[in-house]
Amino acid sequence: SQQGEEDPQALSIQEGENATMNCSYKTSINNLQWYRQNSGRGLVHLILIRSNEREKHSGRLRVTLDTSKKSSSLLITASRAADTASYFCATAPFRPNAGKSTFGDGTTLTVKP
Amino acid sequence: EPEVTQTPSHQVTQMGQEVILRCVPISNHLYFYWYRQILGQKVEFLVSFYNNEISEKSEIFDDQFSVERPDGSNFTLKIRSTKLEDSAMYFCASSPREGYTFGSGTRLTVV
Repeated sequence: SQQGEEDPQALSIQEGENATMNCSYKTSINNLQWYRQNSGRGLVHLILIRSNEREKHSGRLRVTLDTSKKSSSLLITASRAADTASYFCATAPFRPNAGKSTFGDGTTLTVKP
Repeated sequence: EPEVTQTPSHQVTQMGQEVILRCVPISNHLYFYWYRQILGQKVEFLVSFYNNEISEKSEIFDDQFSVERPDGSNFTLKIRSTKLEDSAMYFCASSPREGYTFGSGTRLTVV
């Protein structure tokens, strides 16, 4: 089965610094998504990158995908205290009706003001 | 922007009772999913649903669980006889083909 595994498990930075989180997976994917979850709340979709894309930007977010290494990274630039949350990657198979995405344990990001 | 809507946001139930969690996926989506997250743990896949049938289910999705799309708009998850360990956040998601839109979740507390 596909599996997203994030590292580091926890990251603590000062406001204004950049935060980089990594995700590795095991099998071929159609796309990979990053989500944010504030404590006890729902999953917020941040960005989707397709298997034929290498880099994608959205505001302060930059996602890269290396399919040869089966890894992705999420960079948050100029972090803010409001970015404090858990961040998860999830991979999607080529055939959506074949089922699931698999989430990793997530990276807990703390941005200190 | 279209949303996946889940109700209720929080449900408390007695052990052994049946619960139905409701979801309204985005109307033109074709694929539907239930995930759950036990407090402090990772998000776990439960079941996927396509073309009015289950396309995949996890080991967690045993005979106590069932899903339905009763009227073409709602997508429900039923737990027949709840256990304490069913306490979790349950997320519904839908997808047109790629990418998922998640609902904000139902927090189920079994007492």
